[in-house]
Amino acid sequence: DGGITQSPKYLFRKEGQNVTLSCEQNLNHDAMYWYRQDPGQGLRLIYYSQIVNDFQKGDIAEGYSVSREKKESFPLTVTSAQKNPTAFYLCASTPSHQGDGDYGYTFGSGTRLTVV
Amino acid sequence: AQSVSQHNHHVILSEAASLELGCNYSYGGTVNLFWYVQYPGQHLQLLLKYFSGDPLVKGIKGFEAEFIKSKFSFNLRKPSVQWSDTAEYFCAVSTDSWGKLQFGAGTQVVVTP
Repeated sequence: DGGITQSPKYLFRKEGQNVTLSCEQNLNHDAMYWYRQDPGQGLRLIYYSQIVNDFQKGDIAEGYSVSREKKESFPLTVTSAQKNPTAFYLCASTPSHQGDGDYGYTFGSGTRLTVV
Repeated sequence: AQSVSQHNHHVILSEAASLELGCNYSYGGTVNLFWYVQYPGQHLQLLLKYFSGDPLVKGIKGFEAEFIKSKFSFNLRKPSVQWSDTAEYFCAVSTDSWGKLQFGAGTQVVVTP
């Protein structure tokens, strides 16, 4: 079945460590997104990528980095510069934006990151 | 900056009661509007969406929403809820062709038997 796979499901990080969250999709979608979900704050956009080798900062990019070397993969690194990294992270993808107006967001199952 | 406001953070109601969740956005141009639902332990799922045309849109599981442009609102309704509607509901707005979504804070809905 086509979909988005996020791994790991749970991740624990010591303060000062960088960690990388994986997001893989086999939907042949062009655009991929990383959102952070905190209780009472909804989902906030961290980074997004429209095509391979290109990505843009979202609303809360500080302390995060991404890469888009392959169409199907969009890993997120939470760096030690992120002051409050404990959260639920969701990856999403959509097909081409070519005017069809049907964004067809597909979400992954998420990674819960806890700083210990 | 654009924002999306959901009026209630928590709603508790009994089965068969009617549900209405408010959503307002602050953006003066053309918008695309969405309601997503997140059932406990499950992925975010699209309930319904509005791009253009009839401002009353029907979605899955008996949900509907009405776009009122003059009020910048997109309220979600269901006439009679079931216990299985217990979930968190998110309103979202997109203002560009690439589909970046601005989400509201979410409303946790608990339906009691």
